[in-house]
Amino acid sequence: RKEVEQDPGPFNVPEGATVAFNCTYSNSASQSFFWYRQDCRKEPKLLMSVYSSGNEDGRFTAQLNRASQYISLLIRDSKLSDSATYLCVVNKAGNQFYFGTGTSLTVIP
Amino acid sequence: GAVVSQHPSWVICKSGTSVKIECRSLDFQATTMFWYRQFPKQSLMLMATSNEGSKATYEQGVEKDKFLINHASLTLSTLTVTSAHPEDSSFYICSSQTGGNTGELFFGEGSRLTVL
Repeated sequence: RKEVEQDPGPFNVPEGATVAFNCTYSNSASQSFFWYRQDCRKEPKLLMSVYSSGNEDGRFTAQLNRASQYISLLIRDSKLSDSATYLCVVNKAGNQFYFGTGTSLTVIP
Repeated sequence: GAVVSQHPSWVICKSGTSVKIECRSLDFQATTMFWYRQFPKQSLMLMATSNEGSKATYEQGVEKDKFLINHASLTLSTLTVTSAHPEDSSFYICSSQTGGNTGELFFGEGSRLTVL
């Protein structure tokens, strides 16, 4: 079983839509969780860290469910500029990072 | 945030030549550097973890003699693709962590290698 499982999509949504991505992880000892955004032919950039209590940054909301071992990202009021690949990243301990395959999002005018 | 500078951004070379990619941490000491490879429409695949002053740890299936990693200082790690072939064409990215406890990874800009 993969350490991190993520629906690759693609998700094609109209502008203004709300879209949610989920990611599951296999190791209950995982410590830190992140959502990264990667634009085509660019390096990943941190979008949000994910905390147990859930956290929100503008139109973006991230949640962590340790009992079910999944993290989620909700994007409200999608903009064209949100089109990208969204990677979930799980840090098990120290130097051990695991990446999801990435979910491709295209926001359509 | 912390900055990792990667060079070159693009490289095109002939089959059989060697290519060196450098990653520098500009404002922190990178004790550890992760090297990834990413093929089109696929996720990042960890190739190896380099530690300053010691040998790199390679992931299963990655040839250490083909992908030479050097991490001689706390601010510089290099990946050399030796005797590159067209199947080595890919996007190579490095990343590191700062000494803080956030767990966040900081990525270089990536190097796109095309082997003719």
